[in-house]
Amino acid sequence: DVKVTQSSRYLVKRTGEKVFLECVQDMDHENMFWYRQDPGLGLRLIYFSYDVKMKEKGDIPEGYSVSREKKERFSLILESASTNQTSMYLCASSSKGQGVAGEQYFGPGTRLTVT
Amino acid sequence: GEDVEQSLFLSVREGDSSVINCTYTDSSSTYLYWYKQEPGAGLQLLTYIFSNMDMKQDQRLTVLLNKKDKHLSLRIADTQTGDSAIYFCAESTGGFKTIFGAGTRLFVKA
Repeated sequence: DVKVTQSSRYLVKRTGEKVFLECVQDMDHENMFWYRQDPGLGLRLIYFSYDVKMKEKGDIPEGYSVSREKKERFSLILESASTNQTSMYLCASSSKGQGVAGEQYFGPGTRLTVT
Repeated sequence: GEDVEQSLFLSVREGDSSVINCTYTDSSSTYLYWYKQEPGAGLQLLTYIFSNMDMKQDQRLTVLLNKKDKHLSLRIADTQTGDSAIYFCAESTGGFKTIFGAGTRLFVKA
């Protein structure tokens, strides 16, 4: 069974803290993604990676960075957390050539609250 | 830029059919998807359709695509309380990026 796991389901951090969100997939997928989900706005792409050590900005990269040192792991970093980064963060992965083209597999999400 | 729009809420009675609608702007979209998100979970692919198809049926699910109007719909027959979830319309050209709509929250009343 395919699996995408995220390090925490719930996280509470203070303004200004550095926050690490970790995502691991066991499907040997090339592509990995970080989204944030806010009510009425749907999913917005923060960053994605199509290979180890490769990263591309999505639609809302400001205030975030990412790291992909190993194929199975994709980390999202909030350099200095702010209250407007309170959100649900979803990680996803997809394969380049197998299965339904573009199909993404999602983790359960991390609900981050910044106080 | 690319955009996907869908209504935010839909309420139906158990046993009725549900129809969730979506419009998209990118005429080069190759794949159109419906994802389902149950409470406390990530999204899961429900069904998809290629842009050269008009219709796809999969058990209780029927997907209709009107490419001329860039309109996609998902019909769920005999809707059950277990179908209560958020349904996301999404489109891609088969590359890296998938554009998601805001999601339609389906309420099923017993």
